[in-house]
Amino acid sequence: QSALTQPASVSGSPGQSITISCTGTSSDVGGYNYVSWYQQHPGKAPKLMIYEVSNRPSGVPDRFSGSKSGNTASLTISGLQAEDEADYYCSSYTSSSTLDVVFGGGTKLTVL
Amino acid sequence: EVQLVQSGAEVKKPGESLKISCKGSGYSFTSYWIGWVRQMPGKGLEWMGIIYPGDSDTRYSPSFQGQVTISADKSISTAYLQWSSLKASDTAMYYCARRQAVNWFDPWGQGTLVTVSS
Repeated sequence: QSALTQPASVSGSPGQSITISCTGTSSDVGGYNYVSWYQQHPGKAPKLMIYEVSNRPSGVPDRFSGSKSGNTASLTISGLQAEDEADYYCSSYTSSSTLDVVFGGGTKLTVL
Repeated sequence: EVQLVQSGAEVKKPGESLKISCKGSGYSFTSYWIGWVRQMPGKGLEWMGIIYPGDSDTRYSPSFQGQVTISADKSISTAYLQWSSLKASDTAMYYCARRQAVNWFDPWGQGTLVTVSS
């Protein structure tokens, strides 16, 4: 089961905006609006940040937004803050495996 | 409050068996899938499998099929992940998470660290 493709790392300065991409195929990201994003700080459990491409759970700041175009989903964080420094993982429903969910490889966000 | 609470850290020897748990509370345990995720040291998240406690329907990632067993006891709102013969390569943090709708998972358990070493 292939992972979705994310950049290994991205960085930005406080106040700037960054975007993390998540590329899959028409069997996962491109075929369904079922992409979610998770934030993981070191030593902590993952936390849901975005679901169904662009929806934010209650309590997630509106600085976090999600979108999708074709086979690529994106997570954008605007007004970067120091506490946003973490690993970010995308996940998608997939129709190409017995287990219908797949992760991206993860992206390390560094706030400079 | 919806919560998933996992069992504590384990230190085992290669070849030993192990069963770790994930107890749900604050919601109808039988109505939501529970997923298990592996995170090896310094590595990313990997879906291992999911179970629907209502009828024990279980699906595995091809990478983990035959390597682990996922089960649930709905009478005590607990899901399990078990190994019959651990290997050093099973050393990892394991998380459980509740599946919402089609494909988002929330909340997550706090994680169970499994260390396999001779």
